[in-house]
Amino acid sequence: DVVMTQSPLSLPVTLGQPASISCRSSQSLLYSDGNTYLSWFQQRPGQSPRRLIYKVSKRDSGVPDRFSGSGSGTDFTLKISRVEAEDVGVYYCMQGTHWPPWTFGQGTKLEIK
Amino acid sequence: EVQLVESGGGLVQPGGSLRLSCAASGFTFSGSWMHWVRQAPGKGLVWVSHINSEGSSASYADSVKGRFTISRDNAKNTLYLQMNSLGAEDTAVYYCTRSLGHWGQGTLVTVSS
Repeated sequence: DVVMTQSPLSLPVTLGQPASISCRSSQSLLYSDGNTYLSWFQQRPGQSPRRLIYKVSKRDSGVPDRFSGSGSGTDFTLKISRVEAEDVGVYYCMQGTHWPPWTFGQGTKLEIK
Repeated sequence: EVQLVESGGGLVQPGGSLRLSCAASGFTFSGSWMHWVRQAPGKGLVWVSHINSEGSSASYADSVKGRFTISRDNAKNTLYLQMNSLGAEDTAVYYCTRSLGHWGQGTLVTVSS
């Protein structure tokens, strides 16, 4: 199974400042069709997960453009350009290239300093 | 608007069974792969099972293989998860998701005597 490793696991950020979360996979996520199936999810306190990014860098509908995804192969990053109070929660990366199983990272808890 | 509404969760004794349902609306259910993902209290997201759009192919996490069965009724726009031989480790909120892009609110399954 592909292991997804996120860092940091805890991320205190000042409002208005940028934030960055790293996600590494135990093997390349490049699929034979040329796509890389790496997604990012946000889970606010008490809510269901919400997908923010799919295929490394494509934003889902309604996701603010302050969220961006990048990376390739085994190294990926989620960036928030200016953190807002509503961004508090846990962020997960997930791979969908080598399935089953689909595998998630451990989660990164973003909090406001 | 995509809507996924899970039901069927509750308290069950170890060794017992439960069937979860997920009522889907707002999209072409019969054309969508569906998944179940679970989250133990205070823990991260874990993929459980997937089924293809026709219901002819499914896959399972090793932890539930042989005990859980995923199915769907495309005429009723409903996804199911039959869970047998439940143990304390199965205690979690179970989410129904459409291709891991849209998620329901989840239903809590508690396995305890």
